[in-house]
Amino acid sequence: QSVLTQPPSVSAAPGQKVTISCSGSSSNIGNNYVSWYQQLPGTAPKLLIYENNKRPSGIPDRFSGSKSGTSATLGITGLQTGDEADYYCGTWDSSLSTVFGGGTKLTVL
Amino acid sequence: QVQLQESGPGLVKPSETLSLTCAVSGYSISSGYYWGWIRQPPGKGLEWIGSIYHSGSTYYNPSLKSRVTISVDTSKNQFSLKLSSVTAADTAVYYCARHYYDSSGYCPVFDYWGQGTLVTVSS
Repeated sequence: QSVLTQPPSVSAAPGQKVTISCSGSSSNIGNNYVSWYQQLPGTAPKLLIYENNKRPSGIPDRFSGSKSGTSATLGITGLQTGDEADYYCGTWDSSLSTVFGGGTKLTVL
Repeated sequence: QVQLQESGPGLVKPSETLSLTCAVSGYSISSGYYWGWIRQPPGKGLEWIGSIYHSGSTYYNPSLKSRVTISVDTSKNQFSLKLSSVTAADTAVYYCARHYYDSSGYCPVFDYWGQGTLVTVSS
């Protein structure tokens, strides 16, 4: 069981918007920044969002992040078939460890 | 462009020690940043194993701490992972990655990753 809870899967049509939630507690999300990673099939994870809502250079503004209390959300607009991937949230936990969510598989119908 | 490449045996016997090395190119480990290991069991999520700074300071996942050793060799621009007393539960794709700490100073942000290497624990 992962410390951070994500829905196993989400889906939406091309061009639509989707959100992926990441739920934690005051021991982790509630008191720390959240990062998001995209893992395309058969590849290594790639940094999408850091410090809740910041995008590294090269990440399109179709990807956004937010945090409220002990939950975080990744938003993707203008969905493309190339966005089909697993998405993971990550943060620091007071147990002195980096923790990740179990991952959410995005299907673009 | 920063590149990381994992190497090591793809098959390890139960109770033995898993050893992996991550070769870094395009950036000198001595220049800074932290260097970490993350694993992903087949079909499952990510688990942080631990990290090392170029000075040699280490940080381990408490759940694995008793079995993990991470070391760095700045002369070869690489760092290594040793995981002892392995069981089938340690079967996973192992990634090495570079990270820095966010502005709070607590949460690692992994900005460059290796391609990963599958390690299977089986007799």
